Amino acid sequence: DQQVKQNSPSLSVQEGRISILNCDYTNSMFDYFLWYKKYPAEGPTFLISISSIKDKNEDGRFTVFLNKSAKHLSLHIVPSQPGDSAVYFCAAVGARGSEKLVFGKGMKLTVNP
Amino acid sequence: DSGVTQTPKHLITATGQRVTLRCSPRSGDLSVYWYQQSLDQGLQFLIQYYNGEERAKGNILERFSAQQFPDLHSELNLSSLELGDSALYFCASSARQEIWLDTEAFFGQGTRLTVV
Repeated sequence: DQQVKQNSPSLSVQEGRISILNCDYTNSMFDYFLWYKKYPAEGPTFLISISSIKDKNEDGRFTVFLNKSAKHLSLHIVPSQPGDSAVYFCAAVGARGSEKLVFGKGMKLTVNP
Repeated sequence: DSGVTQTPKHLITATGQRVTLRCSPRSGDLSVYWYQQSLDQGLQFLIQYYNGEERAKGNILERFSAQQFPDLHSELNLSSLELGDSALYFCASSARQEIWLDTEAFFGQGTRLTVV
């Protein structure tokens, strides 16, 4: 049972445009969400996170939006740059005492110059 | 460079064999986490150790085991290997017990295991 779903395996956008990566979750106990970025031959690196008490968190070009009622979050990258080309993983974790981090399958973003 | 070192980077072995993957956490980090990434799955949490003791268990098969040594490095042992065990195995480390504290978890480059 995939609790964190990234239904689109890939996305291709032009440099300078917006990239929108979507993620859905099924477990209502999740209360903290993270995005990781992974380049080939490297481990995932943390990108941005959001707590369930917020609906938006912004860090430079990266913004994560959370819609709790829809159990949906999205990562917006504006403007997209070729260096953003990577696989992006959405992850979620439940309340304290349930520390297992659950990842989605990942989405490959390609930003074309 | 995350500071987390995993060896070997690549491993090819036959079905039925046993292998050991090694992880050296960042200096001072007490928590080590193991993840499996196979072709059709996201990163699957396997197991966590904190300061030498098992802290949390995920979807780890009985054929798999792990331990964390006094020097805090960790080993993941995979036995009776099957073709489906072919995957990338990541280790992450953190100074804290809870991996959900975002920026404090650092991943290694992974070990690519191919079972033939």
